[in-house]
Amino acid sequence: EAGVTQFPSHSVIEKGQTVTLRCDPISGHDNLYWYRRVMGKEIKFLLHFVKESKQDESGMPNNRFLAERTGGTYSTLKVQPAELEDSGVYFCASSQGITSKQYFGPGTRLTVT
Amino acid sequence: GQQLNQSPQSMFIQEGEDVSMNCTSSSIFNTWLWYKQDPGEGPVLLIALYKAGELTSNGRLTAQFGITRKDSFLNISASIPSDVGIYFCAGQLTSGTYKYIFGTGTRLKVLA
Repeated sequence: EAGVTQFPSHSVIEKGQTVTLRCDPISGHDNLYWYRRVMGKEIKFLLHFVKESKQDESGMPNNRFLAERTGGTYSTLKVQPAELEDSGVYFCASSQGITSKQYFGPGTRLTVT
Repeated sequence: GQQLNQSPQSMFIQEGEDVSMNCTSSSIFNTWLWYKQDPGEGPVLLIALYKAGELTSNGRLTAQFGITRKDSFLNISASIPSDVGIYFCAGQLTSGTYKYIFGTGTRLKVLA
């Protein structure tokens, strides 16, 4: 069974540009989560989808971040326009049930210069 | 907001030694998860705990869900070089949201 996959693995963009990150959860997992880890700090929750619906988006930093999960399969996280403080590693995780174990993808390392 | 205090932040140990790390909080959690992250990889789930007092092992790893539901510890016995990495605890909140709060990580370095 394939695990959670994320694309791209690395992205370097300039301040003001737009970047879109993609996450493909484990097949059959209705719950999909986005997290972010800024250098040296803890992994922070961004938002949670149940199928295509946003269950909890309390961790989204501001309206420059837009997450979608059309069709309830893969998800995208768009940052527009990117700022320097957006740099970090963005992780996606998925789980079968809302209280089930979460399995993480390898992350996308975003660098904004 | 909710916070998890994970300690120690980092540790050097000799191969063969036992390791212990823990997470504490003022919040109550439903579930505790322990993850390990290798460089360039995503966190890999090691152990999941679902009940207060639960003690669970996975090979040389043992983790416990604290009785108060506000803490958890992870022990690694007889450490080996491949245990090197960053270990994270994550607690799932009990009310309103099912999101996980993560600790800041314990960076483990094993000296052969």
